[in-house]
Amino acid sequence: NAGVTQTPKFQVLKTGQSMTLQCAQDMNHEYMSWYRQDPGMGLRLIHYSVGAGITDQGEVPNGYNVSRSTTEDFPLRLLSAAPSQTSVYFCASRTPFPVVTFFGQGTRLTVV
Amino acid sequence: GNSVTQMEGPVTLSEEAFLTINCTYTATGYPSLFWYVQYPGEGLQLLLKATKADDKGSNKGFEATYRKETTSFHLEKGSVQVSDSAVYFCALSDFNQAGTALIFGKGTTLSVSS
Repeated sequence: NAGVTQTPKFQVLKTGQSMTLQCAQDMNHEYMSWYRQDPGMGLRLIHYSVGAGITDQGEVPNGYNVSRSTTEDFPLRLLSAAPSQTSVYFCASRTPFPVVTFFGQGTRLTVV
Repeated sequence: GNSVTQMEGPVTLSEEAFLTINCTYTATGYPSLFWYVQYPGEGLQLLLKATKADDKGSNKGFEATYRKETTSFHLEKGSVQVSDSAVYFCALSDFNQAGTALIFGKGTTLSVSS
């Protein structure tokens, strides 16, 4: 039972480069989300999706794009990386009621 | 809007000491409350939860009671172990609202020494 799988685990980008963080879940969850974790800030919601074809912005969406073409996958795209996007990124999915949220192992991204 | 405030860390304890990590919340509805734990280099794991007032969540010796009158959900453990060293996050969500995600506190780092 893989749960929520994120790739890559580590990434270094140069300012201005683009990349996609991958997230896949095998639990058939409709709800998926992306968070970023920064020291002293906790986790902040970037984007979320309530099902295939439906996405919405969270607290800190600027500089990121998402799409949801399948139930399983929810990739996060950085369009033009900036040093302020250096962070640890977590993908999550959750069950319907009763709600249980599952997190991936995280992607540590450094933008230089 | 909804928010979570938890005590600043780091918290440094000796093994077998009593642990309390304070958490208070602000919410417009009737949120569910959670404690998550993050061990070094890992993702977040659900530690315990409570879905309504006066519920007590418990797991692995940790407990927290949902107190609506004080809007609090403090985490406690009677005797901590070195293996409890981790970052602890308090979170809330009002799942009655479509699309509502978890809202996290800033996290409290716990370090337990033998």
